Amino acid sequence: DAGVIQSPRHEVTEMGQEVTLRCKPISGHDYLFWYRQTMMRGLELLIYFNNNVPIDDSGMPEDRFSAKMPNASFSTLKIQPSEPRDSAVYFCASSLGKDRGRNQPQHFGDGTRLSIL
Amino acid sequence: GIQVEQSPPDLILQEGANSTLRCNFSDSVNNLQWFHQNPWGQLINLFYIPSGTKQNGRLSATTVATERYSLLYISSSQTTDSGVYFCAVRLQGAQKLVFGQGTRLTINP
Repeated sequence: DAGVIQSPRHEVTEMGQEVTLRCKPISGHDYLFWYRQTMMRGLELLIYFNNNVPIDDSGMPEDRFSAKMPNASFSTLKIQPSEPRDSAVYFCASSLGKDRGRNQPQHFGDGTRLSIL
Repeated sequence: GIQVEQSPPDLILQEGANSTLRCNFSDSVNNLQWFHQNPWGQLINLFYIPSGTKQNGRLSATTVATERYSLLYISSSQTTDSGVYFCAVRLQGAQKLVFGQGTRLTINP
């Protein structure tokens, strides 16, 4: 079975440029999460969706960050304009909220390593 | 917010040794996952274990939810076990995972 698929795996760009990260969740999963990993703050949630609707975006650092989920099989995380402090690894995860009443685990993609010069 | 503390922060062992990693959390949770982040940065699901004990080959995990801790056991360590091990929890009624700072495990040949 295909897992969570993220693209690109690596992105290097200059500050001020727009960056778009992409994620395809596991088919049938109704929750999608975006996490960021940095040395200083570790792994932290940015935003999550349920049935394509954003539920909690309190972790989005500022207005330069935006996320969309136009359909059940695709989500994007966009940074515009990008800054060097946005350099991090960005993970997408998905889960089936409940299965027969039981909470389900989150499954992570391989991440996108973003470097802003 | 909930606090997730992992210990030890670093662990260096020889191949073949056994190890125990600990995760303490400050509130009631309904989900606990253990991950291994390998040297390529991938987060590998090891266990989904909100309570009880599970085993998978050389690895096993135990969560005592009432006492708010979980343990990950690695037996007969191999160099491929090296990496960072994360514990992540989810509060009752919430969806987001809150991660600990990880335990960096180095297995020397």
